[in-house]
Parts: sequence; structure tokens; C-alpha cells
Amino acid sequence: GENVEQHPSTLSVQEGDSAVIKCTYSDSASNYFPWYKQELGKRPQLIIDIRSNVGEKKDQRIAVTLNKTAKHFSLHITETQPEDSAVYFCAASITGFQKLVFGTGTRLLVSP
Amino acid sequence: NAGVTQTPKFQVLKTGQSMTLQCAQDMNHEYMSWYRQDPGMGLRLIHYSVGAGITDQGEVPNGYNVSRSTTEDFPLRLLSAAPSQTSVYFCASRTGQVNYGYTFGSGTRLTVV
Repeated sequence: GENVEQHPSTLSVQEGDSAVIKCTYSDSASNYFPWYKQELGKRPQLIIDIRSNVGEKKDQRIAVTLNKTAKHFSLHITETQPEDSAVYFCAASITGFQKLVFGTGTRLLVSP
Repeated sequence: NAGVTQTPKFQVLKTGQSMTLQCAQDMNHEYMSWYRQDPGMGLRLIHYSVGAGITDQGEVPNGYNVSRSTTEDFPLRLLSAAPSQTSVYFCASRTGQVNYGYTFGSGTRLTVV
């Protein structure tokens, strides 16, 4: 089955810096890659997703890139702010299948 | 829309007790799933359903049962609680349309002593 690895497990940046979180997946049939943000004590919330027919997607300060050949995808956050501090999860799934497999999470700390 | 509603928010069980975690959604979503979240292990799929009357096992199904008698409700039953089931449990739902993200409930924090 699908396996998703996520790195780094923790990431500390200064306010205004960029942050990059990387994930690799094992099943080449995976074609949907969402990213979730989870603040302390809260539920995971979808922040951006990408489908395999697209190489990059942006939404204001966040962007996701996908390299299907290498089977990895990344989350990029520019101009980080303290409110970006949270745990971020990547995930992967295959069209027509219910299972969404998550990475183990990255704790991002943005210091003022 | 209330979204995905989970009850209770907190629960303490003794080893061997049984209980049901409730999950309901009012978005007419076909797909519903239960995940458990443990430190350093991300979200692991317990059971899922693609519609009323249809359920299947995820990565960590042992010790849990589910049923889906209606589109709205997807309860998770712990048969005989064990300390290893201490975790935060999230229910999630999504539309059956291709490749849309899940909406999560607020979670149930379960402690088994």
C-alpha cells in the first residue's frame, strides 16, 4: 500500500523567512496530494491540494509543487508569520479509492 | 451547516470497558472515515465508509467496529478498551466527487486507564 514520508519533523524559522516541507510517496498511482494544517488542540484543516495533472499550485503565501517522476511533493510558505506556527501534514490518495494516507507531520515554529 | 460533529470531546475509560464514539455530518457526504492521532505517528486510518451500508478496514482496525446505517452517521465502537487505544480520534467526511479534501470533526480525546 501507499506510504508517505515527511521531512523535517520540526522546522524553526524567523518571521519573514520561507519554509519548505517535503514529502515522498511510494505508489506511483497516487494522484491527489492535499496538505493540512493543525493548530494546537484543533482539528486538521485543508489548506491546499494538488492533482497529478498539475505541477504547481499557489494560494497567496503558500504553494505546493509536485514531481511525479521523483514521487515527491513539497509545501512552500513564504513571508512566514507567527500564526503559521502549527503542525503540517501531507497526504496522498488514488482516484477511486477512499484511503487517504498521511505523513507523520512537521511542526513549524515561526519566531517573531 | 454544523459540518462534522463528534461526541464526546473527552472520555476516560477503564481497561475492558466498551463505548461508542459518535460522528455525524450534515453535508450529505458519501465518504466518511475514522482516524486516530498519536504523537509522532500522524493520522492513521481505522475504518472508512463509501456510503450507507458499506464499510471497510483501514491501517489499524483491530479493536474497533463501525457501521453506517445512514449517510449522516458513522459511529466507532471500542469493543474492549485497552491502554494502547489511548489517542485522539478524528472523524472526517468528504463528497464522493473525485479528489476533494476531507472535512474533520473536532476530535475525541480518549484515555484508557
